[in-house]
Amino acid sequence: EPEVTQTPSHQVTQMGQEVILRCVPISNHLYFYWYRQILGQKVEFLVSFYNNEISEKSEIFDDQFSVERPDGSNFTLKIRSTKLEDSAMYFCASRSGTPNTEAFFGQGTRLTVV
Amino acid sequence: GNSVTQMEGPVTLSEEAFLTINCTYTATGYPSLFWYVQYPGEGLQLLLKATKADDKGSNKGFEATYRKETTSFHLEKGSVQVSDSAVYFCALIYPIRGLTFGEGTQLTVNP
Repeated sequence: EPEVTQTPSHQVTQMGQEVILRCVPISNHLYFYWYRQILGQKVEFLVSFYNNEISEKSEIFDDQFSVERPDGSNFTLKIRSTKLEDSAMYFCASRSGTPNTEAFFGQGTRLTVV
Repeated sequence: GNSVTQMEGPVTLSEEAFLTINCTYTATGYPSLFWYVQYPGEGLQLLLKATKADDKGSNKGFEATYRKETTSFHLEKGSVQVSDSAVYFCALIYPIRGLTFGEGTQLTVNP
């Protein structure tokens, strides 16, 4: 069964460093998303991406964040200068172009900023 | 804006008890509604969905009915098992936008 894969599963970084979280969505999907979940809290929407551009972003997704689909298979989230409060689980998701279908989630990357 | 509200948790039940986790939503138009489940240390898995009013989603003994008149999508299961222990998230989605999640409800089922 096709699945969304994320790497790495766990990333530890120093405050102020740049990190890139990687995702390979399901191959024929058209919509791509990043969410984050701070430990024990709700799942928060960060950004959606369609047709090679951001279609929607939340207030969390400020200038420190960027997304890219560099080669038609990977979908990356970059945090330019990490802060302690960026520590969270980051989930990538993708959806097909069929209306009202569900999003499929990866297993997540646990980012720890020290 | 769109929002999803779930009943406050955590919920602790004995095995074979009846489960209800309440979910209500605020949205314009007619979003699709979902329940996702997150087992310890894992990602989010779709549990069930409903795409229009009066649809009933069901999977693994869980059910939820899309009620437009009460803007609700409550999750129910007649007899829970220890293996159902997880965090359950109610969510809504519009055709070209991302999912909006509720706060999540931690369910613990004791033997």
